[in-house]
Amino acid sequence: DIVMTQTPLSSPVTLGQPASISCRSSQSLVHSDGNTYLSWLQQRPGQPPRLLIYRISNRFSGVPDRFSGSGAGTDFTLKISRVEAEDVGVYYCMQATQSPRTFGQGTKLEIK
Amino acid sequence: QVQLVQSGAEVKKPGASVKVSCKASGYTFTNYAMHWVRQAPGQRLEWMGWINAGSGDTKYSQKFQGRVTITRDTSASTAYMELSSLRSEDTAVYYCARSGENWGQGTLVTVSS
Repeated sequence: DIVMTQTPLSSPVTLGQPASISCRSSQSLVHSDGNTYLSWLQQRPGQPPRLLIYRISNRFSGVPDRFSGSGAGTDFTLKISRVEAEDVGVYYCMQATQSPRTFGQGTKLEIK
Repeated sequence: QVQLVQSGAEVKKPGASVKVSCKASGYTFTNYAMHWVRQAPGQRLEWMGWINAGSGDTKYSQKFQGRVTITRDTSASTAYMELSSLRSEDTAVYYCARSGENWGQGTLVTVSS
């Protein structure tokens, strides 16, 4: 199985400041069809996960443009340009290039 | 809008089975896959398997092969996940997710003697 490793595991951020989360996969996530199936999900306290970004950098419907994704191969990053209070929660990267789909261990975003 | 509504919390004894339902609305049920993912306390999300809601084809994580069965009822726009031979380590919140995009609210399954 592909192992997904996120850093940091906890990220205290000041409101209005940027935040960045990294995700590294144990092998390349480039699929044989040429796409890279790396997604980012947000889980607010007490809520189910919510898809933010798919295929590295595509924002899902309704996701604010302060969220952006980048990366290639085995290294990926989620950036929040200006953190808002509603962004508190746990963020997961997920790969769907190879079965089984696997997730990172999660990064807890909290406000300083 | 897309909605996935799951069945309520369950308490089961070790060795028993549990069947969780996920009723979909707001889209054509048979046009999308339905995935099942679980989250044990303090653990990362764990993918269990998925079903092509149109064809009924399924694929399971090897970890759960032989214990999990995912089915669907197209007339009811509902997907089901059944997990058998339950053990305490199966205590978790179980989610359905439409192609990984939209998620149900989760169903807590507690396995305890």
